[in-house]
Amino acid sequence: EPEVTQTPSHQVTQMGQEVILRCVPISNHLYFYWYRQILGQKVEFLVSFYNNEISEKSEIFDDQFSVERPDGSNFTLKIRSTKLEDSAMYFCASSETERTQYFGPGTRLTVL
Amino acid sequence: AQSVTQLDSQVPVFEEAPVELRCNYSSSVSVYLFWYVQYPNQGLQLLLKYLSGSTLVKSINGFEAEFNKSQTSFHLRKPSVHISDTAEYFCAVSDPLTGGGNKLTFGTGTQLKVEL
Repeated sequence: EPEVTQTPSHQVTQMGQEVILRCVPISNHLYFYWYRQILGQKVEFLVSFYNNEISEKSEIFDDQFSVERPDGSNFTLKIRSTKLEDSAMYFCASSETERTQYFGPGTRLTVL
Repeated sequence: AQSVTQLDSQVPVFEEAPVELRCNYSSSVSVYLFWYVQYPNQGLQLLLKYLSGSTLVKSINGFEAEFNKSQTSFHLRKPSVHISDTAEYFCAVSDPLTGGGNKLTFGTGTQLKVEL
C-alpha cells in the first residue's frame, strides 16, 4: 500500500539555523499539507499546497516558513531561522481528492 | 472556524471490555469527519472516516463511529478492546465548502489504555 514518507525522522539543530524537512507524498496525490504537533498538544495545521501554490496557511505559518515542490515527487518545508518554540513533530500529509488525508510518520525537530 | 472537542483525555479500560471515545465538533452545514490513531512513537494513521452516505462507518479492526448531525457528534466505539488498541486517538474535522484544500482541525486526543 502506498505511503507518505518523511526524512529525516529526527533533526536536531541550533537556534537560528535553517532546516529543511522532506516529504514524499503518495504518487498520484495532488494536495499536500504540513501539520505540527508540539509535545503534549494537539495537531495543528500549518499549510496546504495545490497546483504549485499555497492554497491556505495558518497564522503559525509566518515568513520564517516556506514550502516547495522542487520536483515531481518531493514536498519540502523550510524553516529559515529556527526558534526554540519550533521544536515539535512535523507531519506531512497528502490527498488525492481534497477529502481524505494520509499522513507520514513525522519528523521530530529539536531546536537547542 | 471549526473546532473539535474530545472531553476525555484518558480512558482506561480492561481488555475485552467495550469502549467509547467521545468527539463533538462545532456546527457547520456540512463536514467531513475522521478518526486517526497514533501508536507510541509513530505517525497518524487513518482509522475511519465519514464523508457522506451511511452515518455508521466501520474500520477493519472492529472500531465504528456514528455521525450524529443533531448532536454534532462522531463518537468512536469498539465492543471489545484488545491490548494492541492502546494508543492515542484523534478526532478531526474538515469543512468541504471552505476550499483551500480542506485543512483538518484536530481535537486534543484521547489516550486509550487497555489493561489486562
